[in-house]
Amino acid sequence: QSALTQPASVSGSLGQSITISCTGTSRDIGAYDYVSWYQQHPDNAPKLIIFGVTNRPSGFSHRFSGSKSGNVASLTISGLQAEDEALYYCSSFTTTNMIFGGGTKVTVL
Amino acid sequence: QVQLQQWGTGRLEPSDTLSLTCSVSGGSFSGHFWTWIRQPPGKGLEWIGEINFGGPANYNSSLETRVTISIDTSRNHFSLSLTSVTAADTATYYCARGPGDYFDIWAQGTLVTVAS
Repeated sequence: QSALTQPASVSGSLGQSITISCTGTSRDIGAYDYVSWYQQHPDNAPKLIIFGVTNRPSGFSHRFSGSKSGNVASLTISGLQAEDEALYYCSSFTTTNMIFGGGTKVTVL
Repeated sequence: QVQLQQWGTGRLEPSDTLSLTCSVSGGSFSGHFWTWIRQPPGKGLEWIGEINFGGPANYNSSLETRVTISIDTSRNHFSLSLTSVTAADTATYYCARGPGDYFDIWAQGTLVTVAS
């Protein structure tokens, strides 16, 4: 199963909104509403920020939101803050494996 | 609050067997999928496989000939074994908890280096 496709980097200024795309196929993102997103700061384990396409874990910031259209999932970060600078990974359920995107480096300008 | 703590050998030689164990504390062991994920240095995440209480393990098709995930419910542990390692298996290995389609709790990770 091929990995999902994410842009290598996205940047934005403090307070702005940015969107990270995650492109899959009709066998993964397009087939199931089981897309999740993870945030990873340097030398730390990934942290779940979105599951089931649009759901946030309890207590997690409302500045993070997820969506999906066809074979493409998206993560939007609104009101960009310095602590949002990190790597972001998307993931999708498939019938055989769980697959991940290659990761997107978010830079806060 | 559920916590995962993992341990295992951090340095291996080619053809060795990688062995890691993950301990679950603070919550129920049943009703969840217990997963191993790895991340080569500077690269993205790769799902290795999962096991749940009372069920068979599921493995990444690219690794299934070399990987075994087992569970010890009496000690709230689950383990990863990866045989015949090469330099390509050098990575930080994470154990994680999930319902099967996402991973909500992660351990701290163990860097495993394969070198002669």
